[in-house]
Amino acid sequence: AQSVTQPDIHITVSEGASLELRCNYSYGATPYLFWYVQSPGQGLQLLLKYFSGDTLVQGIKGFEAEFKRSQSSFNLRKPSVHWSDAAEYFCAVHGSGNTGKLIFGQGTTLQVKP
Amino acid sequence: NAGVTQTPKFRILKIGQSMTLQCTQDMNHNYMYWYRQDPGMGLKLIYYSVGAGITDKGEVPNGYNVSRSTTEDFPLRLELAAPSQTSVYFCASWGGQGTEAFFGQGTRLTVV
Repeated sequence: AQSVTQPDIHITVSEGASLELRCNYSYGATPYLFWYVQSPGQGLQLLLKYFSGDTLVQGIKGFEAEFKRSQSSFNLRKPSVHWSDAAEYFCAVHGSGNTGKLIFGQGTTLQVKP
Repeated sequence: NAGVTQTPKFRILKIGQSMTLQCTQDMNHNYMYWYRQDPGMGLKLIYYSVGAGITDKGEVPNGYNVSRSTTEDFPLRLELAAPSQTSVYFCASWGGQGTEAFFGQGTRLTVV
């Protein structure tokens, strides 16, 4: 069965510092992978997605993620964090093919210090 | 193009009451999902559908039911509401490989 683990529940970084949010998945084949962001009281916004091809994926707001099959990981990165990036971040996995399920990790809350 | 529309936005139920959360999408997506979001728990998949007439259980289906009679609609039914069902519910739809999943704005449900 597919699953997603986000090991870091809460991360605090200083504004301007680099950021890496971890995501590990479990799935028998290459899954479809997503990162979403949710601001307080808001819905979910897609940051980026991976289906196939180039393992380094560029997204919106200066975010990128790298798919590493050998590590079953899809970590999210940003070179310089802005105060407006403070939010909750979710990694999600969908089994390729027609399995149907779209499973989310428990989320990482990002706090940005001025 | 409205995307995914959920109604209602807020609801208070008494224990034992029932209700239906409505979800409609206008993107002709085959895949549709219902999630609940509790603080610190992320989004848990309740039920999903891969097309009209086809539904399946997700991670936390107990206490809920769904139907998918049309491509557009995917209502979630709560029978005999319990306090443990107090949560924020999100509906989503997905068009398949190469596309993103779109989410509704959520329904905040409180069971008292």
